[in-house]
Amino acid sequence: GESVGLHLPTLSVQEGDNSIINCAYSNSASDYFIWYKQESGKGPQFIIDIRSNMDKRQGQRVTVLLNKTVKHLSLQIAATQPGDSAVYFCAETDTGGFKTIFGAGTRLFVKA
Amino acid sequence: NAGVTQTPKFQVLKTGQSMTLQCAQDMNHEYMSWYRQDPGMGLRLIHYSVGAGITDQGEVPNGYNVSRSTTEDFPLRLLSAAPSQTSVYFCASSGTRTGSSGNTIYFGEGSWLTVV
Repeated sequence: GESVGLHLPTLSVQEGDNSIINCAYSNSASDYFIWYKQESGKGPQFIIDIRSNMDKRQGQRVTVLLNKTVKHLSLQIAATQPGDSAVYFCAETDTGGFKTIFGAGTRLFVKA
Repeated sequence: NAGVTQTPKFQVLKTGQSMTLQCAQDMNHEYMSWYRQDPGMGLRLIHYSVGAGITDQGEVPNGYNVSRSTTEDFPLRLLSAAPSQTSVYFCASSGTRTGSSGNTIYFGEGSWLTVV
């Protein structure tokens, strides 16, 4: 069946280092991918997205890379800060934005 | 602009009781949905709606009902609560976002439900 999964359940990085969170998806027909950040006790919040016709998209301190050949998605966070500590989810969706499939999440720990 | 508002934040139910989780959005989004999140797992879609008067089932619809009488509101009803429904529930609406490539899901703050 269709699924979105993450390679690493937890990631620990030193403050100031770059973080890379990976995600694999199985539905090659998916058109739109989003990364969400979820802090403890809160709902997921949008970080960055990318359409299937793109390979890379940059935001403020974050970059999403899409490799359709191997169905792989990654989130890069530059100069990781303590405020980046959270669970990060990748999500696979159609352009309608519903029936979105989420991965299990990766917990990012930032060490001071 | 409040975004997506859901209530209550916390609720304890006895097995067999029924209750309704309320959800409202003020962004005039057509698409709304309910997810549940269990420990160590991602979000699983319960039900969704593409507009007033239209609802459909997601991945885990059993034991839940929804209705969409207005664009703004999308309540989730637990018919007869079971311990397996202990979870965190998130309401969401979907719409365009400045700078994004497509429709983005906006989540509420979550409702923590415990069934004993």
